[in-house]
Amino acid sequence: RKEVEQDPGPFNVPEGATVAFNCTYSNSASQSFFWYRQDCRKEPKLLMSVYSSGNEDGRFTAQLNRASQYSSLVIRDSKLSDSATYLCVVNMQAGTALIFGKGTTLSVSS
Amino acid sequence: ETGVTQTPRHLVMGMTNKKSLKCEQHLGHNAMYWYKQSAKKPLELMFVYNFKEQTENNSVPSRFSPECPNSSHLFLHLHTLQPEDSALYLCASSHAVGETNEKLFFGSGTQLSVL
Repeated sequence: RKEVEQDPGPFNVPEGATVAFNCTYSNSASQSFFWYRQDCRKEPKLLMSVYSSGNEDGRFTAQLNRASQYSSLVIRDSKLSDSATYLCVVNMQAGTALIFGKGTTLSVSS
Repeated sequence: ETGVTQTPRHLVMGMTNKKSLKCEQHLGHNAMYWYKQSAKKPLELMFVYNFKEQTENNSVPSRFSPECPNSSHLFLHLHTLQPEDSALYLCASSHAVGETNEKLFFGSGTQLSVL
């Protein structure tokens, strides 16, 4: 089983749509969870951390279900500028480096 | 600007060349990382340094040799690479490895092509 798995995508949606990305992780002891955004040919940038209680930042909502070893990212009212690859990132074990999922590509069209 | 600077941005080298990638962070972090990103593959962690000590080496071939002279600088020395080593090499830093909610800050990467 891969350590961090994401929806393969790509997701092609019109402006204004709501889109959800899913991520599962293999290690139940994982402690830290994040979503990063990566634009084409650019470096990944932190989008948001994910907490057990869930968190929201404007149009973006991240959820975590530790029992199911699952995280999700929801983008509401999609904008053209949201087009990018969204990476699920997990700390698999205390004291070790973060592991990245393969990413899900989103394309928002007008 | 993320505070992590990588040079060069692009590099083309032959299989017999020796070259080095450089990374510098101005964030006061104690951990630095090398990641490799190939087309259609997830970011692969290569090396981790925490307080200048190498803490992870993910079975990287010896033709890649990291060096971390201090907490602000990280190098990746390359020699006798193969065409399949062509990829985007990303340097990152964080406060320290494995801290709860540690956040990674990436450099812009070096796009490497091996001919």
